[in-house]
Amino acid sequence: GQNIDQPTEMTATEGAIVQINCTYQTSGFNGLFWYQQHAGEAPTFLSYNVLDGLEEKGRFSSFLSRSKGYSYLLLKELQMKDSASYLCAVRRGGGNKLTFGTGTQLKVEL
Amino acid sequence: EPEVTQTPSHQVTQMGQEVILRCVPISNHLYFYWYRQILGQKVEFLVSFYNNEISEKSEIFDDQFSVERPDGSNFTLKIRSTKLEDSAMYFCASRPGPGDGNQPQHFGDGTRLSIL
Repeated sequence: GQNIDQPTEMTATEGAIVQINCTYQTSGFNGLFWYQQHAGEAPTFLSYNVLDGLEEKGRFSSFLSRSKGYSYLLLKELQMKDSASYLCAVRRGGGNKLTFGTGTQLKVEL
Repeated sequence: EPEVTQTPSHQVTQMGQEVILRCVPISNHLYFYWYRQILGQKVEFLVSFYNNEISEKSEIFDDQFSVERPDGSNFTLKIRSTKLEDSAMYFCASRPGPGDGNQPQHFGDGTRLSIL
């Protein structure tokens, strides 16, 4: 089976940097995706990692260590609109389905 | 930017009734998916569809569920006899074809299904 763990909630200050961690245990790992989800809305793609290292996309970066089963999403220059749930999702083997973690609810405060 | 569109946005149905949720995937995408999210819980995979057949399905996707691509644009999820526990947000997603493994799945805005 698969196990994906993320913190349930985090709080950060506008303008700051926050790191959201995700650990996973799975066989046949074939990529990790980060999605953002505002309440009542669809998940929106943020980033993808399949090889070890850092992927940077503007204010968002994502890191992966396959040997440790670990990823993080880094959000810089936080804005109030970044308040949302951040979902870590793992793809396994040749299949296409994503298995999601429970999500981390990020609250950005003034 | 092309979008996955879903209708209706909210569906209220009596327990035991059949319901059909509709999706129009992005036009050049070849893989289609249904996920559900019970209120306050994680997004769960239901089924994937490629080349006019189911490629993978989860334990949730039992005999009460079916999917269909009735024409070149629509992708539907049917629940034959709804139960209270089917109440959830149902998301449709799509992504491009083979060889695009790193292309993300794009999600629609979802249909909120409420079973009374």
